[in-house]
Amino acid sequence: DADVTQTPRNRITKTGKRIMLECSQTKGHDRMYWYRQDPGLGLRLIYYSFDVKDINKGEISDGYSVSRQAQAKFSLSLESAIPNQTALYFCATSVAAGGPGTDTQYFGPGTRLTVL
Amino acid sequence: AQTVTQSQPEMSVQEAETVTLSCTYDTSENNYYLFWYKQPPSRQMILVIRQEAYKQQNATENRFSVNFQKAAKSFSLKISDSQLGDTAMDFCAFMKHGGAQKLVFGQGTRLTINP
Repeated sequence: DADVTQTPRNRITKTGKRIMLECSQTKGHDRMYWYRQDPGLGLRLIYYSFDVKDINKGEISDGYSVSRQAQAKFSLSLESAIPNQTALYFCATSVAAGGPGTDTQYFGPGTRLTVL
Repeated sequence: AQTVTQSQPEMSVQEAETVTLSCTYDTSENNYYLFWYKQPPSRQMILVIRQEAYKQQNATENRFSVNFQKAAKSFSLKISDSQLGDTAMDFCAFMKHGGAQKLVFGQGTRLTINP
């Protein structure tokens, strides 16, 4: 079974709709991240979380919100989706800084979101 | 803020050839990590190789090796004996040591291996 899962894998929605993307992990990692990928821009950080009570904005947080429901779950919401939020979204996890392997992030399979 | 630049949007080589992908970065940090990730058509992000900035020795992983030039802020990836399965979008990425462990990615290079 995959260590980092994302649901849904693909989603088509309409402008103005609220949508939630979910991420779950079985790796026991404290840190979780949401990135979006756009052609020609690579991946950019939306939000990240160090633990359930510690959530931080990334490079491009406008128009997004997140919820860390548990250590293993980190959800990304688009309150009112717009077409330029059409992208591939990735969740990633890592262990807390200071221990071995702290530089390695493990990615989920991605969610392709299309906003019409 | 750190930036990562990949100046080759696309590259194409024949199977079994050697190919080198370029990456430059800008940072004022002295201690950091550099990575190459690949994204095959399955779209999964797969770590290919990592380099710690304090290590002078270039990292190698089987057919993959890097040329890390810290002073020049350059981090190129060499793929030897390229295989059809190497066809992917390749991303260079930077992470500052400690702190939030945020990855900063380049724009990507679309690599095609032709039979």
